[in-house]
Amino acid sequence: AQTVTQSQPEMSVQEAETVTLSCTYDTSESDYYLFWYKQPPSRQMILVIRQEAYKQQNATENRFSVNFQKAAKSFSLKISDSQLGDAAMYFCAYIPGNTPLVFGKGTRLSVIA
Amino acid sequence: DTEVTQTPKHLVMGMTNKKSLKCEQHMGHRAMYWYKQKAKKPPELMFVYSYEKLSINESVPSRFSPECPNSSLLNLHLHALQPEDSALYLCASSQGWRVNTIYFGEGSWLTVV
Repeated sequence: AQTVTQSQPEMSVQEAETVTLSCTYDTSESDYYLFWYKQPPSRQMILVIRQEAYKQQNATENRFSVNFQKAAKSFSLKISDSQLGDAAMYFCAYIPGNTPLVFGKGTRLSVIA
Repeated sequence: DTEVTQTPKHLVMGMTNKKSLKCEQHMGHRAMYWYKQKAKKPPELMFVYSYEKLSINESVPSRFSPECPNSSLLNLHLHALQPEDSALYLCASSQGWRVNTIYFGEGSWLTVV
């Protein structure tokens, strides 16, 4: 079965500090996409960042960056200079080729002022 | 701002009612999805439409009936629902349903009484 594991159900970070959310996945595919989605209390699922598996360079979007380790099947999200608006549920997800998006169980991030 | 629009944002219905959830996207995407999300859980895939044809039905009960009138619209018809069907229903779209970024709407909160 193709799975995504987020081992940290909850995390907290001080405002302006850096936090890393972990994600591992299991696939036999060689070509796939990886994503981090953010879901604030409003419940809209917002795309934070995506990574194509064939690209070795780690994706970056402003304060958000990933550490993609293909051999280890690891895809962690780093949030720098954390802001109160970053508080949300974060889902790691991937598309393993011919099947739709597979989600992890999520990590709830709290930001402390 | 989301480019996937869902209506209504909130719906309360009785178990004998018939109602519909609507979704619209104007990004020219050819794949559209319905997901169901319970509190503190990741979204669960219900249906996938590709080029206006139903591609995936994740063994969803027949009281949920999807419809894709054209490439921009996706409906979810609801009939004889149960209280356990109360959830957030998320519509999403992507360029194609294989190895593409999926964009979500804000969701429709459904309460069955």
